[in-house]
Amino acid sequence: NAGVTQTPKFQVLKTGQSMTLQCAQDMNHNSMYWYRQDPGMGLRLIYYSASEGTTDKGEVPNGYNVSRLNKREFSLRLESAAPSQTSVYFCASSGGGNQPQHFGDGTRLSIL
Amino acid sequence: RKEVEQDPGPFNVPEGATVAFNCTYSNSASQSFFWYRQDCRKEPKLLMSVYSSGNEDGRFTAQLNRASQYISLLIRDSKLSDSATYLCVVNKGALGSWGKLQFGAGTQVVVTP
Repeated sequence: NAGVTQTPKFQVLKTGQSMTLQCAQDMNHNSMYWYRQDPGMGLRLIYYSASEGTTDKGEVPNGYNVSRLNKREFSLRLESAAPSQTSVYFCASSGGGNQPQHFGDGTRLSIL
Repeated sequence: RKEVEQDPGPFNVPEGATVAFNCTYSNSASQSFFWYRQDCRKEPKLLMSVYSSGNEDGRFTAQLNRASQYISLLIRDSKLSDSATYLCVVNKGALGSWGKLQFGAGTQVVVTP
């Protein structure tokens, strides 16, 4: 009954370091999403993948890259971390279209 | 103007009372609407989908007013466990935005004994 699984749950990085956030879903969903959430703000879409083999920019893509490795997995990479990327990152998946999205339990990332 | 706006609250509600709050959206082409619940920066969890004029699920009732472009959530007989932040979520609806959701910043509800 895993749903959407994110790793790691917590991470502290130094400015300039790189890292990849992993996300996997077992619901056979076509679409997957990466969001960030900052205090006082709604979730903001970083990148999404409408289906396996496609990725598109969301609202705040700068400083990030993504890979849709297969239907199950969608990773988010920070090539050179900056303090402004300190946030909580959520991965989500859905059947697409007007279907609701289901979220992983988040990665809390701090960049010093 | 934000695409989805919510009163941040907090709404302080005595246990057993009724609380209601609204969310307004700017894109008249939006086709689907959701309420999510989020606890203490944990992941958002789907509370209700609102696909037509509204729907009810137990103590929770959601209404959609397309003419005025708002949706509402009403919680009856509030429980302590209802304390959370409620996120209004709207499908952007425009061509090319299939599956892309716009999130409000949330309304905080605090149910007190």
